[in-house]
Amino acid sequence: GENVEQHPSTLSVQEGDSAVIKCTYSDSASNYFPWYKQELGKGPQLIIDIRSNVGEKKDQRIAVTLNKTAKHFSLHITETQPEDSAVYFCAAIPSGNTPLVFGKGTRLSVIA
Amino acid sequence: NAGVTQTPKFQVLKTGQSMTLQCAQDMNHNSMYWYRQDPGMGLRLIYYSASEGTTDKGEVPNGYNVSRLNKREFSLRLESAAPSQTSVYFCASRLGAGGHGELFFGEGSRLTVL
Repeated sequence: GENVEQHPSTLSVQEGDSAVIKCTYSDSASNYFPWYKQELGKGPQLIIDIRSNVGEKKDQRIAVTLNKTAKHFSLHITETQPEDSAVYFCAAIPSGNTPLVFGKGTRLSVIA
Repeated sequence: NAGVTQTPKFQVLKTGQSMTLQCAQDMNHNSMYWYRQDPGMGLRLIYYSASEGTTDKGEVPNGYNVSRLNKREFSLRLESAAPSQTSVYFCASRLGAGGHGELFFGEGSRLTVL
């Protein structure tokens, strides 16, 4: 089955700096890679996703890149703000109807 | 529009007691999921229901049962609670029966088993 590794587990950045979170996956058939943000006391919420036929996707200050050959994908947050502080989860799904497999999460702290 | 609603939000049980976590969604979604979240372990899938009338085991199903009561509701039951089941439980739903597309999560149910 699919296995998703996520690094780092914690990340602290100064406000205005960039943050990068990296994930690797094991199943070469995986074709969908979402990122979820979980604020304190809330459920996770989708912030961006990418499919395997695309190498990069941007949405304002966040972007995701995918390297299918190396089987890794990354979340990039530029110009970080205190409200970006949260736990971020990457996930992957093989083709078919199997559910998402999540990484273990990264706790991002943006220091003002 | 309430989205995904979980009850209760907090519960304390003694070892051996039973309880049911309730989940309802009002988005006419086909698939529903139960996850547990433990420190350093991420989100682990307990059970899911790809469509009304079907349920399947996830990564950590032992000690749990589920019921897809109708298209809106998906409950999680602990028959004999154990301290290892102390966790935060999240229900989620998705429009499609397949795996792609956005998962919508409830706000979680924090369960403590003494």
